[in-house]
Amino acid sequence: EAGVAQSPRYKIIEKRQSVAFWCNPISGHATLYWYQQILGQGPKLLIQFQNNGVVDDSQLPKDRFSAERLKGVDSTLKIQPAKLEDSAVYLCASSSLNTPKSSYEQYFGPGTRLTVT
Amino acid sequence: KNEVEQSPQNLTAQEGEFITINCSYSVGISALHWLQQHPGGGIVSLFMLSSGKKKHGRLIATINIQEKHSSLHITASHPRDSAVYICAVRSGNQFYFGTGTSLTVIP
Repeated sequence: EAGVAQSPRYKIIEKRQSVAFWCNPISGHATLYWYQQILGQGPKLLIQFQNNGVVDDSQLPKDRFSAERLKGVDSTLKIQPAKLEDSAVYLCASSSLNTPKSSYEQYFGPGTRLTVT
Repeated sequence: KNEVEQSPQNLTAQEGEFITINCSYSVGISALHWLQQHPGGGIVSLFMLSSGKKKHGRLIATINIQEKHSSLHITASHPRDSAVYICAVRSGNQFYFGTGTSLTVIP
């Protein structure tokens, strides 16, 4: 089974520029998550999709961050314009609906390391 | 206030030592995850628990729902175990993550 794919793996941009990250979840996984992990901290959920609908985007800074999952499969996360404090690893994860509620399993991609200068 | 607290934050051990990492949480949960993150950012799910104890190789995870506490144990630690270990809990539709325990195992 192929894992969660993310690209690019690394990105360096200047502040006020725009950037986009791509995620392809495990085939058949209905739920997709984007996390932001700042160095030295645990991941913070930015947005959760169920198929192509948003379940939770309460921690997404909507003035500059946007995400979409138009066909309920792969997803893009965009930052426009970027700030210095956006430097972090952006992790994508997916999970299947076809598991018991108590055995919720997430599979993580390798992450995209963003550096804003 | 963090919903998930881990201890210790940093841990250095000699190869072969028995290691324990602790996780306490303050919310009602449906599942607790132990994750391993190596330098470079990739995260691997080690365990998912809702009760009791699970074992996989040299790794053991336990959870006490009444005390809202979980432990991750590593027996006969090895330098390749060096990584950040993250505790995460699912509460309703939310996931809460600890800040991680950075483990270094010295040969």
